[in-house]
Amino acid sequence: GAGVSQTPSNKVTEKGKYVELRCDPISGHTALYWYRQSLGQGPEFLIYFQGTGAADDSGLPNDRFFAVRPEGSVSTLKIQRTERGDSAVYLCASSLGLAGETQYFGPGTRLLVL
Amino acid sequence: TQLLEQSPQFLSIQEGENLTVYCNSSSVFSSLQWYRQEPGEGPVLLVTVVTGGEVKKLKRLTFQFGDARKDSSLHITAAQPGDTGLYLCAGAKGQAGTALIFGKGTTLSVSS
Repeated sequence: GAGVSQTPSNKVTEKGKYVELRCDPISGHTALYWYRQSLGQGPEFLIYFQGTGAADDSGLPNDRFFAVRPEGSVSTLKIQRTERGDSAVYLCASSLGLAGETQYFGPGTRLLVL
Repeated sequence: TQLLEQSPQFLSIQEGENLTVYCNSSSVFSSLQWYRQEPGEGPVLLVTVVTGGEVKKLKRLTFQFGDARKDSSLHITAAQPGDTGLYLCAGAKGQAGTALIFGKGTTLSVSS
């Protein structure tokens, strides 16, 4: 079956621009997670959705970052006024949302801010 | 703050050698997970350990969860070039089923 898909796979933008990163979770998965992975680091949690609502957004680094999941399926991570330090791989994962369920990761979007 | 420390950060070995990767924390986790990540891909779950002292085997990989549920290890026997990749340990941030806290990972390179 289809796994988690993320688009675009690569995004190059200029400092100060706005970007949107999209995540299509596995069908039927109610939980969706966004992580950010910098070079040489493990993934860092950003935000977690259960259905349409953000159950935990404590990992968002500042108010330039925002994510939505309006219909409980596809999610969009939005970054305003991008900075060079935002350059990283943004990973999305989904799960059935039950306690202890496996999170399945997408291949990530590689964001480069020049 | 819950942190997971992994060691070593880098490991370069010859095919056929054995190795152990460690994951340590000062915090107690309800479970720990081990992932493997290849370049250009997302992490893929290898195993979840839940019970203190638990040992799980996956072919040539042996995973152990410490008695106090603060640390874990991954042992690979007779490493092969296909084992090359980034190995990450992760623990649940809060209630099981929520966000994960990852270690920085161990980059393993196995040459033939």
